[in-house]
Amino acid sequence: TQLLEQSPQFLSIQEGENLTVYCNSSSVFSSLQWYRQEPGEGPVLLVTVVTGGEVKKLKRLTFQFGDARKDSSLHITAAQPGDTGLYLCAGRPHPFSNAGGTSYGKLTFGQGTILTVHP
Amino acid sequence: NAGVTQTPKFQVLKTGQSMTLQCAQDMNHNSMYWYRQDPGMGLRLIYYSASEGTTDKGEVPNGYNVSRLNKREFSLRLESAAPSQTSVYFCASSEVSGANYGYTFGSGTRLTVV
Repeated sequence: TQLLEQSPQFLSIQEGENLTVYCNSSSVFSSLQWYRQEPGEGPVLLVTVVTGGEVKKLKRLTFQFGDARKDSSLHITAAQPGDTGLYLCAGRPHPFSNAGGTSYGKLTFGQGTILTVHP
Repeated sequence: NAGVTQTPKFQVLKTGQSMTLQCAQDMNHNSMYWYRQDPGMGLRLIYYSASEGTTDKGEVPNGYNVSRLNKREFSLRLESAAPSQTSVYFCASSEVSGANYGYTFGSGTRLTVV
C-alpha cells in the first residue's frame, strides 16, 4: 500500500508555464519533505514543512502543507528547463495516525513526478 | 566534498552471486538508511540504522542483510542475488531518525542481476 500518492506521474510543459504537483494520503504526517532528483544522482532535499497550512517559498517554487497534514503541493511558476527532474514527496507518519506504529519516524516516499520543461 | 559516498556505481551480477554495497558518510550523522528505487515505485526502505550498533528492517528487507560497521559506514549485502533485486540502490543519512531532519543521499549503485 502506497502511503503517499503523487500526481501527475508525468508532466511535460513548455518553458514559462506554471505547474502544480500534488502529494496526497489518507494518513496524517508529522512533517513532509520535497526532494528533487536528477538522472544518475540521488534525491536532494528542497524543503521541509511541519505545520498544517504552512506555506514555504523557494524562489519560483511554492510548497504548501495541507491543514489536516495529509497532503501537500508543489507549485512552480514560470518553469525553466533547469527545473526538469524527478520530484519526490516524502512524509513521516504521525505516531497516532493509521500509518503510525512501526512506520513512525521512517521517511516514506511517493512514487514521484517526472517533470520535463521544454525550451 | 562532504556527503554520502557509495561504491560501486554500477554492478552486474549473475543469479546466485553475492555482493556487498558500501556506503560511508562524513557528516557525523547518527542515522543511515538503504533504499531501492524502481520505476513507478518511488523509494522503498530496505533497512535502516537509527544509531551506531542498531539496525532494523524496513519495508522490503527480504534477501538483504546490513552491517553498521561504525558511525560512518553502513553496508548492504545480497547473499544470493535474484533478478528481482535489479534496481538502483541509494544510501542516505540524517542527523537523527524520527525528527524533521532531511536526508542526504549518495549518488546510487545501479545493480543488474542476470
